[in-house]
Amino acid sequence: DTAVSQTPKYLVTQMGNDKSIKCEQNLGHDTMYWYKQDSKKFLKIMFSYNNKELIINETVPNRFSPKSPDKAHLNLHINSLELGDSAVYFCASSQTGSRERTFSYEQYFGPGTRLTVT
Amino acid sequence: EDQVTQSPEALRLQEGESSSLNCSYTVSGLRGLFWYRQDPGKGPEFLFTLYSAGEEKEKERLKATLTKKESFLHITAPKPEDSATYLCAVQYNAGNNRKLIWGLGTSLAVNP
Repeated sequence: DTAVSQTPKYLVTQMGNDKSIKCEQNLGHDTMYWYKQDSKKFLKIMFSYNNKELIINETVPNRFSPKSPDKAHLNLHINSLELGDSAVYFCASSQTGSRERTFSYEQYFGPGTRLTVT
Repeated sequence: EDQVTQSPEALRLQEGESSSLNCSYTVSGLRGLFWYRQDPGKGPEFLFTLYSAGEEKEKERLKATLTKKESFLHITAPKPEDSATYLCAVQYNAGNNRKLIWGLGTSLAVNP
């Protein structure tokens, strides 16, 4: 069974389009994350949700909007895509127990979504 | 500036040749240091968490240690299947928030 799954695995689209990436975890975790990994392999946190509540919102353009319909799902919607959005996006989850303990425990990552904007 | 630096950037070893990877950090209020392994085309996979200086953790051929300024990931008698990028991440207090920053990783290649 896949613990953290993402769809799609590859996404090629043109500038200006709107796209979504879906993430689901079946680990029963209470916290989910979105990361962006650029071409230099630098991994940067974008958002984190604890029990469906947004607790981390790093400096990310407001074209990016996360949505958490329930604890097991965290989707990422991107409006007006730009060339610089090209990267691999990872979803992750962890069991932290509370928003104050975010990051305290190991995270389980999905396989990533490679987004290419042309 | 809060920073995590990993060295070397790339390392090539012969099978059985032990070595160490370094993760140095300049943050205050360390809450934890994490080691992950990332294979090409996959998400990072958790290896260890270290919380305080002097702590050590082991798993098969890997051993992680922590001081007040850096962590080492020692690889003893590596095998080709240990080839991967090893990422270090540091969790720390930033005001009332908790932050997590990642290093750029060390790309390890183990030749048979």
